Amino acid sequence: DGGITQSPKYLFRKEGQNVTLSCEQNLNHDAMYWYRQDPGQGLRLIYYSQIVNDFQKGDIAEGYSVSREKKESFPLTVTSAQKNPTAFYLCASSEHRKYGYTFGSGTRLTVV
Amino acid sequence: GEDVEQSLFLSVREGDSSVINCTYTDSSSTYLYWYKQEPGAGLQLLTYIFSNMDMKQDQRLTVLLNKKDKHLSLRIADTQTGDSAIYFCAESKDTGGFKTIFGAGTRLFVKA
Repeated sequence: DGGITQSPKYLFRKEGQNVTLSCEQNLNHDAMYWYRQDPGQGLRLIYYSQIVNDFQKGDIAEGYSVSREKKESFPLTVTSAQKNPTAFYLCASSEHRKYGYTFGSGTRLTVV
Repeated sequence: GEDVEQSLFLSVREGDSSVINCTYTDSSSTYLYWYKQEPGAGLQLLTYIFSNMDMKQDQRLTVLLNKKDKHLSLRIADTQTGDSAIYFCAESKDTGGFKTIFGAGTRLFVKA
């Protein structure tokens, strides 16, 4: 079945460390997105990519980095520069946004 | 600026109808969506409606769009305990910006 796979489901990071969240899709979608979700808030866009080897900053890109070397993959790195990284991270993809997004199951990152 | 607002909480009895409301500010919104999120999971697209439509029905779900008032609603008929989740309203458009804007979500609690 086609879908988006995020891994790991839970991730613990020590302060000062970089961590990378994986996102893979087999839907053949061109566009991919990373969102951050905090309790009681809507989703906030971190980065998006409309095509391989191209990506754009979203509303809260500071302290994060991405790459898009393959159509299927859009990993997100949370760097030590991100001051408050504890959150639930969601990856999504779309064929065309009029059809909405397909989301992964999320990665919960906790800084310890 | 662009904004999507929802009430944060709704409680209904099993078997009743649930109506979740949403207002948006961008009159040029082209696509409007309802997503469902269960605990610890990603978002699942329930349905979407184009701005040139007034209503869309899909089994137990009915979406009503009032463009004049920029108001969107989701009605769930015969609500079941399995419908307990957070429901997100979202909007996007074809022209200008690329983003999909999400509301903060309405938590639906279904009492048996």
